[in-house]
Amino acid sequence: QLVETGGGLVQAGGSLTLSCVGSGFMFRNYDMTWVRQAPGKGLEWVCVINGRGGSTQYADAVRGRFSISRDNSKNTLHLKMNSLRVEDTATYYCATANYATFEFWGQGILVAVSS
Amino acid sequence: QSALAQPASVSGSPGQSITISCIGTSSDVGGYNYVSWYQQHPGKAPRLIVFDVSKRPSGIASRFSGSKSGNTASLTISGLQTEDEADYYCSSFTSRSSFSVFGSGTKVTVL
Repeated sequence: QLVETGGGLVQAGGSLTLSCVGSGFMFRNYDMTWVRQAPGKGLEWVCVINGRGGSTQYADAVRGRFSISRDNSKNTLHLKMNSLRVEDTATYYCATANYATFEFWGQGILVAVSS
Repeated sequence: QSALAQPASVSGSPGQSITISCIGTSSDVGGYNYVSWYQQHPGKAPRLIVFDVSKRPSGIASRFSGSKSGNTASLTISGLQTEDEADYYCSSFTSRSSFSVFGSGTKVTVL
């Protein structure tokens, strides 16, 4: 099970940190990813981190503004979002990742960025 | 990176078969056997239904099948059921600056 927290309303230019707690599986053995979905739009891959936390990759749209990290001792994934833009408004999902396979998903958390 | 191309909508009657295409490039769909498909009902999280082009996770009905030819992947739903009405997305590993790219999504309507 994956449960996201930390969403909400923030002004453009502001920051927000999302968290995702995993349970029921060996969290440290899985690469983890964030995927977002703007209201009424399709899925968009955001970023990924490997199991040990030493390797990360980002989509062009968020590189330099977002930072993914994890704490395996707490089975927790984080997404630090800085310099938020109106177009970052979306439901953010955490998921396990294996190349393009996202097997287990959280329920999603809404981030709304106002102008 | 641009999304993989999917038809905006596909429809069929119960019991019929439908196929959804997912068109990419040699840098993603055509270059790797890491294509997956997701089903998403309104207000719900996506659910993995096909991975590695044609494999099904445990618990996924056999009426869902995947394939690939060149730069185009396909999802076929055989024996369409009313509960199959949902949005469907493909995804592929990519060698470009991103790690993964999703398709634009297809709304399946059961008539």
